[in-house]
Amino acid sequence: DSGVTQTPKHLITATGQRVTLRCSPRSGDLSVYWYQQSLDQGLQFLIHYYNGEERAKGNILERFSAQQFPDLHSELNLSSLELGDSALYFCASSVRDRLTDTQYFGPGTRLTVL
Amino acid sequence: AQSVTQLGSHVSVSEGALVLLRCNYSSSVPPYLFWYVQYPNQGLQLLLKYTTGATLVKGINGFEAEFKKSETSFHLTKPSAHMSDAAEYFCAVSVARGSTLGRLYFGRGTQLTVWP
Repeated sequence: DSGVTQTPKHLITATGQRVTLRCSPRSGDLSVYWYQQSLDQGLQFLIHYYNGEERAKGNILERFSAQQFPDLHSELNLSSLELGDSALYFCASSVRDRLTDTQYFGPGTRLTVL
Repeated sequence: AQSVTQLGSHVSVSEGALVLLRCNYSSSVPPYLFWYVQYPNQGLQLLLKYTTGATLVKGINGFEAEFKKSETSFHLTKPSAHMSDAAEYFCAVSVARGSTLGRLYFGRGTQLTVWP
């Protein structure tokens, strides 16, 4: 158990819908990262937040957005869902935002878009 | 741009045999290198990482990796495979460069099968 929690574990929805994925980092960790894992693209970095501020953006679609709240939990919002958005979405957290900090991964949310 | 190549999407070994999982990276600046393991229906768990200093890094579960700058490689090894090592292994790199700061670039993964 990494100490990072993600809810829900599974999500099944239809095209065009909007969903919210939630992540609670390990106690004391200030950074939250979101990754998408799919068969086509592998593991792709989406976005990084540090202490409530956006730090880096990766291959995140405009239909996707994220935020980190004052209690440091984070939410990833996916809208106008398409079949290709079906994937495993991981959240990771680290103590700070240093490159050498270990990123601890949550168990993931499996999103299925029908 | 940074990239990570894992040679061999599937590797099979017998229990007790040497495990060798290959990882090569490309980076124009000194990288930090990581190996993660993913068991079925679980998140990624860090096995080991190289930041600075000694180029031979020891990790959990008997795994180790050696950073070879001249070969741009960071291969993962374990002298004797156990059945419990069967999982998917990911090599990753992070670099200190502007907007990419803090992100991990992952290879496509290597599925390790261990035969009894």
